[in-house]
Amino acid sequence: DAKTTQPPSMDCAEGRAANLPCNHSTISGNEYVYWYRQIHSQGPQYIIHGLKNNETNEMASLIITEDRKSSTLILPHATLRDTAVYYCIVRVGANDMRFGAGTRLTVKP
Amino acid sequence: ETGVTQTPRHLVMGMTNKKSLKCEQHLGHNAMYWYKQSAKKPLELMFVYSLEERVENNSVPSRFSPECPNSSHLFLHLHTLQPEDSALYLCASSQLAGTGGYEQYFGPGTRLTVT
Repeated sequence: DAKTTQPPSMDCAEGRAANLPCNHSTISGNEYVYWYRQIHSQGPQYIIHGLKNNETNEMASLIITEDRKSSTLILPHATLRDTAVYYCIVRVGANDMRFGAGTRLTVKP
Repeated sequence: ETGVTQTPRHLVMGMTNKKSLKCEQHLGHNAMYWYKQSAKKPLELMFVYSLEERVENNSVPSRFSPECPNSSHLFLHLHTLQPEDSALYLCASSQLAGTGGYEQYFGPGTRLTVT
C-alpha cells in the first residue's frame, strides 16, 4: 500500500478555504486517493475520492497533481462544523482502508 | 445519517460477560467491516465480510467473534474481554471492492468500556 503523509494539525479561519495537503509519493497507477473526516467520537465520514482527475462534490474539491504523488483537499468555505480529523488514504479499492493519524483541522471564528 | 446504524451506542461490561454489538446497513451494500479505534490511535481494521463471507481477519483475538447472517446485518460477539479492549467499535459498509473507487460508509460506533 502507498503510505501517505499529512501534517498533524492545521488551523483555518471561518469562511476561508481550507487546503489540506497529502503526500503519497509511492502511489501506484491503480490506487485511488480517498478522503474521510472524523468529528470527535463519531464514525468517519466519506468526503471524496479520485484516481487521476480533479474531483468536486457538494462537500469539497480534490486536486491531484499530474504525477499523482500528492493531493490537496479543499473545503471552499470552512465552517466551525468542519473542525475534525481529516484522513487521506490511498487504496486500490474500499476493501481495506488503512487510516493513519490524519490532520486535525481546527476552524476558528 | 449515513444509512448504517449500530446498537448499542454505549456498553459497559465486565470481563466475564458476553455481549454482542449489532450493525445494520440500509444502503444495499454487499461488504461490511468492523473497525476498532482506541484512544489516541488510528482506526484498526478487524474484520471484512464480502458477500456474507469473511475475507479478512487482521489477527484479531478469538474473544472477538464476528457474524454476518446476511448482507444487511453484522454482529460482533464479545466474551471474556480485557480492559484494553475498551474502545470505539465502528461498523462500515460498501459495495464490493475489487479495483474501483468504492467508498465506505460508517456507523456512529459503539463506545465499549470493559471493567
